[in-house]
Amino acid sequence: ELKVEQNPLFLSMQEGKNYTIYCNYSTTSDRLYWYRQDPGKSLESLFVLLSNGAVKQEGRLMASLDTKARLSTLHITAAVHDLSATYFCAVGYNNDMRFGAGTRLTVKP
Amino acid sequence: DGGITQSPKYLFRKEGQNVTLSCEQNLNHDAMYWYRQDPGQGLRLIYYSQIVNDFQKGDIAEGYSVSREKKESFPLTVTSAQKNPTAFYLCASSQEGRGEQYFGPGTRLTVT
Repeated sequence: ELKVEQNPLFLSMQEGKNYTIYCNYSTTSDRLYWYRQDPGKSLESLFVLLSNGAVKQEGRLMASLDTKARLSTLHITAAVHDLSATYFCAVGYNNDMRFGAGTRLTVKP
Repeated sequence: DGGITQSPKYLFRKEGQNVTLSCEQNLNHDAMYWYRQDPGQGLRLIYYSQIVNDFQKGDIAEGYSVSREKKESFPLTVTSAQKNPTAFYLCASSQEGRGEQYFGPGTRLTVT
């Protein structure tokens, strides 16, 4: 069974700092997705990573995928308050998709 | 505009009543999903459907039922057998089983 682990689960950052969220998964896959969820809202797609070595960037967020290590990272550069949200990774495998538990990010001034 | 809609946004019911949550998509996606999210928690898969007239149980199907009579519609019924139904319910769709999922805005169900 595919297992997806995110860490950390909770992250409190100061504005301007950098940090990385990690997503490990248990079975070979070349499909990795990152989503953002604001409090009380639905999930919004951030990045779609479809091959080993894929890197995508949007603003202060950059996601990468290493299929050999079964690892994806979401790097936050110079955090701002607007990035406060919960971030989920999800892994596609066979005809299934599994979500990580989510990382709740709080960016403090 | 293509998208996925859920209704209602908020739903209040008394214990012992069945309630049906609507999910419609016009993205021409084959696969549709229902998730439950409790406060501060992740997503738990209730049911999913890869094609019309076929669906499978997810991790927490007990107390729920679904139908998939049309490609664009995947309603979820929360039955009185569901012991703790108060939660945020999210519907999603994707072109294929392991493809990117697009989420609806969610329905917040409160049962008292």
